[in-house]
Amino acid sequence: DAGITQSPRYKITETGRQVTLMCHQTWSHSYMFWYRQDLGHGLRLIYYSAAADITDKGEVSDGYVVSRSKTENFPLTLESATRSQTSVYFCASSATQGAGGYTFGSGTRLTVV
Amino acid sequence: GENVEQHPSTLSVQEGDSAVIKCTYSDSASNYFPWYKQELGKGPQLIIDIRSNVGEKKDQRIAVTLNKTAKHFSLHITETQPEDSAVYFCAASTGGSGNTGKLIFGQGTTLQVKP
Repeated sequence: DAGITQSPRYKITETGRQVTLMCHQTWSHSYMFWYRQDLGHGLRLIYYSAAADITDKGEVSDGYVVSRSKTENFPLTLESATRSQTSVYFCASSATQGAGGYTFGSGTRLTVV
Repeated sequence: GENVEQHPSTLSVQEGDSAVIKCTYSDSASNYFPWYKQELGKGPQLIIDIRSNVGEKKDQRIAVTLNKTAKHFSLHITETQPEDSAVYFCAASTGGSGNTGKLIFGQGTTLQVKP
């Protein structure tokens, strides 16, 4: 199916564990983004990518790692999960450079215990 | 970097009334201002956007206005309906050549439309 999909939908992990959140889009959009959503903070940018093998940090990148070996995939890894990383994570993609809307996935709700 | 402030954080209106959500931005180079609607358990969806060369844009019951001098923009929803209840986000970006155009979002407004 065409679109942008995130997996898993829900994840519970323990403090200190590594966890990877997956994002896959079928449009071959060049631009992909990871945001986290927390009450009172809106959506904050973690990492973004302009193309395969090109990634850059957003405003809250500490503790996170991304890769983009293929245009359609943009996984986000928490190297050693902390309770402060409990959040809802959204992946988004965009075809345009700059003034264009994003298409968001349905999100992954991550709980770190 | 860019900073976007959004107000109010919650808004409750009666069905049929109008709702207005306001945002201010800090970077005068920002030139693209989208609005997103997020329903419970879903990702945000683009509902309307405006570019810096336009002062107002309408799409049926929703409209967005932009004041570049004051660096603020607003979302107006008229004749509200219960299905308008959701969280609304404003955003700003500095799009264009050589820029990834990453969006900076406001904190969100929870709109409740009472039947």
